[in-house]
Amino acid sequence: GQNIDQPTEMTATEGAIVQINCTYQTSGFNGLFWYQQHAGEAPTFLSYNVLDGLEEKGRFSSFLSRSKGYSYLLLKELQMKDSASYLCAVRDSNYQLIWGAGTKLIIKP
Amino acid sequence: GAVVSQHPSWVICKSGTSVKIECRSLDFQATTMFWYRQFPKQSLMLMATSNEGSKATYEQGVEKDKFLINHASLTLSTLTVTSAHPEDSSFYICSARDGGGLYEQYFGPGTRLTVT
Repeated sequence: GQNIDQPTEMTATEGAIVQINCTYQTSGFNGLFWYQQHAGEAPTFLSYNVLDGLEEKGRFSSFLSRSKGYSYLLLKELQMKDSASYLCAVRDSNYQLIWGAGTKLIIKP
Repeated sequence: GAVVSQHPSWVICKSGTSVKIECRSLDFQATTMFWYRQFPKQSLMLMATSNEGSKATYEQGVEKDKFLINHASLTLSTLTVTSAHPEDSSFYICSARDGGGLYEQYFGPGTRLTVT
């Protein structure tokens, strides 16, 4: 079966750095996505990785290792507004998005 | 960036009635649209995938006669929840994939449905 694992909840301090991990087992691989979702809102796109390595976009970076079935989202200089759920999703061989359950990130002052 | 709208943003209806939710791609042609349902504190659950001009493909466990999906044009898909029950209360989100794009799905803002 297809499976995506990420931690249920993480807590971090404002101004600090946090890394959210995602491991996956899917039928084929056509890219990995990270989305941010605030409570009561739809997900918003953060990053996309299809090749191994690190993609940096401002305070957010995403890393992918296809051989290990592993990705992480790195958030730097955390702000209170970064409190949200972070969803990892993998596009399989049928170009369907397989979603993780999401990681709720709590930022404390 | 690409914009997807949904209407209504929230709706309250009585049990037994039907509710239609619209999803529109505003500045691109969406050859494929997806409908998701999300219960509180849970992840997105794909309900169905629809391609313009053809019948939707429903995920296992989703009743196609209850959740009617129409994708009549490249910019509009509708989800009709028929004979709604309180357990259908949920957050319904559509997303659209640009026909020319290889990777990104653009999400609508979601519709909060409450069935009383």
